[in-house]
This record gives sequence, structure tokens and C-alpha cells, in this order.
Amino acid sequence: AQTVTQSQPEMSVQEAETVTLSCTYDTSESNYYLFWYKQPPSRQMILVIRQEAYKQQNATENRFSVNFQKAAKSFSLKISDSQLGDTAMYFCAFMKPYGGATNKLIFGTGTLLAVQP
Amino acid sequence: DTGVSQDPRHKITKRGQNVTFRCDPISEHNRLYWYRQTLGQGPEFLTYFQNEAQLEKSRLLSDRFSAERPKGSFSTLEIQRTEQGDSAMYLCASSSQTATNEKLFFGSGTQLSVL
Repeated sequence: AQTVTQSQPEMSVQEAETVTLSCTYDTSESNYYLFWYKQPPSRQMILVIRQEAYKQQNATENRFSVNFQKAAKSFSLKISDSQLGDTAMYFCAFMKPYGGATNKLIFGTGTLLAVQP
Repeated sequence: DTGVSQDPRHKITKRGQNVTFRCDPISEHNRLYWYRQTLGQGPEFLTYFQNEAQLEKSRLLSDRFSAERPKGSFSTLEIQRTEQGDSAMYLCASSSQTATNEKLFFGSGTQLSVL
């Protein structure tokens, strides 16, 4: 069974600074997807970034980028130029690829990020 | 694209009562998921529909839980004889069946409090 581990329950960063959130996972699959979701106080889950395991290039979305280390089963999220609106719970999630099986997400326990003014 | 809608946003009920939640997915999405999230935890998978067919149910989904998706459009999640342990946020998500670009879009959830 796949598991996702986020070892940082809480983190804090100053506005405009850079912060990195950690995530490790365990799977015997060779092909899969990894995601970071953001959940602000409104509780809406918002997709931040997505990575396909077969792609060596790290995904980037504006101020958000990942460091994907497949051999180490590590998938960290870097937020550059942090903004107050980035304050939220961040969840790392794993998905097996489409192939007849359910494409369900398996989530970690989350990291609460506070951006300080 | 109006996003995934869930109704109600909040539900307070007494132990032993039945409750029903509704989810309207993004219109062109054929896949629909229900998740449960308790305080301080990540969402946990409950069940999954592809069109109107319920293809997978988690062991978390006891016999008191039932989900339907008639005609492959909206879905309902019913909890019978609610217990205090059922108190949680119930999230619905939808996606389109695209082999290379699977992304789940979530609704704002229904917060259930069982007194």
C-alpha cells in the first residue's frame, strides 16, 4: 500500500522569503503522479502543482516549484517570494496512474504554513 | 466552469439521525470521489464513481454509509444512524477521464457535526 509522510506539522516564513515543505512517500509502483494541494481557512482544497513520475524535469507553477527525487521517494515543495495569501495547510498527495484502477489520491497529514508580515 | 458544488456547507445533527449530502461535479467530469477529513488530518478516500457506477468503496465506509450517483451527474452521500465519530468534513471531488492529465478538483465540503 502507498503511504505519504509529511514530517513538518507546522512551518513559518517571513513575507517575500522562500520556504520548502517536505514530503516522502512509499510505493512499489514505477509510474505515478504526485501533487501538492493547498487548503486555506476556507477549507477549499486547491491544486498547487502536479508531477508525473516518468518526467525527470521538476514541475514549476509561477512561485511554486518541486524537487522530485524519485530514487529517494522525496517530493518537496518550494514557495518563493512568500505572500500572506500563501498561509494555509499544504497537503502532499500520491496517485497511481490511470489503467483501470481508481485514480484516488492518498494524502499526507499536512503542513500548516504561516506567512508572517 | 462553475466548479464542484456541495450542499449543505454545514450540517448539525443529533446522534442517531440520518443525514444526506449532495455533490454537483464539474459538468464534463465523469469521475466523482468522496473523501472524509477530520481535524488535523489529510482527506481519506471513501468511494469513487465512474459515471453512474460505484467502482470502489473504502473499508472506512461502514454499512451506515451509502452513496449514489444516478445518471452519472450529481451524487449523494447518506449516513444513517449518525454517530459522534462521523463528525468530519466530507469533501467531494471530480475529474475527467484523461489518461495523461488526471487532476481532481474539490468542492468546499460539508462540515458535519453530530451532537
